[in-house]
Amino acid sequence: DAGVTQSPTHLIKTRGQQVTLRCSPKSGHDTVSWYQQALGQGPQFIFQYYEEEERQRGNFPDRFSGHQFPNYSSELNVNALLLGDSALYLCASSSDRGDYGYTFGSGTRLTVV
Amino acid sequence: QKEVEQNSGPLSVPEGAIASLNCTYSDRGSQSFFWYRQYSGKSPELIMSIYSNGDKEDGRFTAQLNKASQYVSLLIRDSQPSDSATYLCAVGRGATNKLIFGTGTLLAVQP
Repeated sequence: DAGVTQSPTHLIKTRGQQVTLRCSPKSGHDTVSWYQQALGQGPQFIFQYYEEEERQRGNFPDRFSGHQFPNYSSELNVNALLLGDSALYLCASSSDRGDYGYTFGSGTRLTVV
Repeated sequence: QKEVEQNSGPLSVPEGAIASLNCTYSDRGSQSFFWYRQYSGKSPELIMSIYSNGDKEDGRFTAQLNKASQYVSLLIRDSQPSDSATYLCAVGRGATNKLIFGTGTLLAVQP
């Protein structure tokens, strides 16, 4: 049973560029959340998708956008990259509200230079 | 005041000892609480969830919740060097139960 899969594993981008990160949820999960984890910090909630709609959003600028597909997979897009966007981006899946916890993928390490 | 607070550590304990990790939260309406373990360079792994006041045990791990004091703790008995990691406390918030994380406590178990 595959867990949460994310791609790519690592990515290096230049300031001002755009990036797309991808996530496939664990089998049986229909809700995908994205988190940003800076070095030495806990993960910060970006947004959550359910039934192909953004259900809740954290305190992130509009440069961060996402999408969920009918097969529950999801993309995170970041436009106009800043040096401060360098972080580990984590995808977490759950069934609906995630009352029983979220399963995290291995993450995408984004470096902006 | 941070929404979820943890002592960043490092917390150093000898092998075989009990490690005690603590977490406080600010929102009295919080209903779900989680402990995640994160090895260096890896993603968080759920090790315990707790929803009611009291203790919940799973193997060597015990989670304790006191909603009146807005306090959650994790005890690790018979600590092993393989337990050395950062332990993240997370609180579920709102209708979507989004997770609010603390900054994590680094645990080092000395052989």
